[in-house]
Amino acid sequence: QQPVQSPQAVILREGEDAVINCSSSKALYSVHWYRQKHGEAPVFLMILLKGGEQKGHEKISASFNEKKQQSSLYLTASQLSYSGTYFCGTEIVGTASKLTFGTGTRLQVTL
Amino acid sequence: ETGVTQSPTHLIKTRGQQVTLRCSSQSGHNTVSWYQQALGQGPQFIFQYYREEENGRGNFPPRFSGLQFPNYSSELNVNALELDDSALYLCASSGWLGPQETQYFGPGTRLLVL
Repeated sequence: QQPVQSPQAVILREGEDAVINCSSSKALYSVHWYRQKHGEAPVFLMILLKGGEQKGHEKISASFNEKKQQSSLYLTASQLSYSGTYFCGTEIVGTASKLTFGTGTRLQVTL
Repeated sequence: ETGVTQSPTHLIKTRGQQVTLRCSSQSGHNTVSWYQQALGQGPQFIFQYYREEENGRGNFPPRFSGLQFPNYSSELNVNALELDDSALYLCASSGWLGPQETQYFGPGTRLLVL
């Protein structure tokens, strides 16, 4: 079952914040976040393990609510370089290392 | 740079033909996964190999097959190509980030079936 991402697309001005959500109907072991720029391969951002963990990477952080099987990616003070499509890849309990990706959230940061 | 390479970068084939795509993983990464990404969609899991054995398969027909070799390279073979097979094909090499494995993608092969 493919995770559902929201919103499908968002446009920000440089410096604004955004939240991207990822929701699954299955029990998750971990959530992996990737960013993909047009014509390029997905680039790994971070992993979150079950346990309500929150992690950060510069101005990008994420949380994982194990009870709700939801993860959120937080982009603060967005930069032009943040533009791209963000995918969550979910690892379902019992399916080690096999990721199921959402349909993506297209983020565009403008001046 | 993820250290994962793929070849070729682009490929054009006609319906009914066969194609082989290649991937070279990072040294020491024993697991490789292959994904198909159609335009505007997220990557779809095709199959995974661990130490040269298939270790899981997604919802793809048997005409999609693979091989993994001891030198950390792998192949994706697709027989009897169909128009819908046109997509970006990504391989991902699994590596450990602390206590958790994650996947590092190669640049992909863009396949067009005419």
